Amino acid sequence: DAGVIQSPRHEVTEMGQEVTLRCKPISGHDYLFWYRQTMMRGLELLIYFNNNVPIDDSGMPEDRFSAKMPNASFSTLKIQPSEPRDSAVYFCASRRAGNSVYHPTTDTQYFGPGTRLTVL
Amino acid sequence: GENVEQHPSTLSVQEGDSAVIKCTYSDSASNYFPWYKQELGKRPQLIIDIRSNVGEKKDQRIAVTLNKTAKHFSLHITETQPEDSAVYFCAARQMDSNYQLIWGAGTKLIIKP
Repeated sequence: DAGVIQSPRHEVTEMGQEVTLRCKPISGHDYLFWYRQTMMRGLELLIYFNNNVPIDDSGMPEDRFSAKMPNASFSTLKIQPSEPRDSAVYFCASRRAGNSVYHPTTDTQYFGPGTRLTVL
Repeated sequence: GENVEQHPSTLSVQEGDSAVIKCTYSDSASNYFPWYKQELGKRPQLIIDIRSNVGEKKDQRIAVTLNKTAKHFSLHITETQPEDSAVYFCAARQMDSNYQLIWGAGTKLIIKP
């Protein structure tokens, strides 16, 4: 398996422009997560999906951010309009369902390589 | 909801010495505690995890211990090597929120030659 795939790996844009980040989770994984990582705030969960349905978007910073998962193999995170404070590394992660304490589970979240976003 | 605190934020140890990173959690119902390692410019990757039905788990030079009574768990790295230099994140699984992970703030581990 190729693992979680993200594109682009680097994005440089100007303030006010729309930015779209893309993620392809590992095949068969039911959960997909979008994280943002900065030096100041560390690793923040923005939103996650279960079976393509958004479950918790309380981490999305504001209305400029939106995320979709039209099918099991693709998700997007969109920022419109972008601002310099959105500059960060954005990670996508996926995992399979399963949460039993007593069986080898599939709790592991597998991260993609990240997209480094710079908004000028 | 769950809250995870991680200490120290930075840890510098001599190569060959041991390193210990500690996390505390607030939700006594949490039952899964992973540790992720993130090397500079790379993605976080799981290195070890522990579930609430065991108190310790080892994998070569790394081990994790869990104290459910005190609600803390620790990562132990023995015989540290330069390649151990990285940021380490702990997390706890929140039982009442679709079992999602709550992350610590991270510890930057520096191995001095």
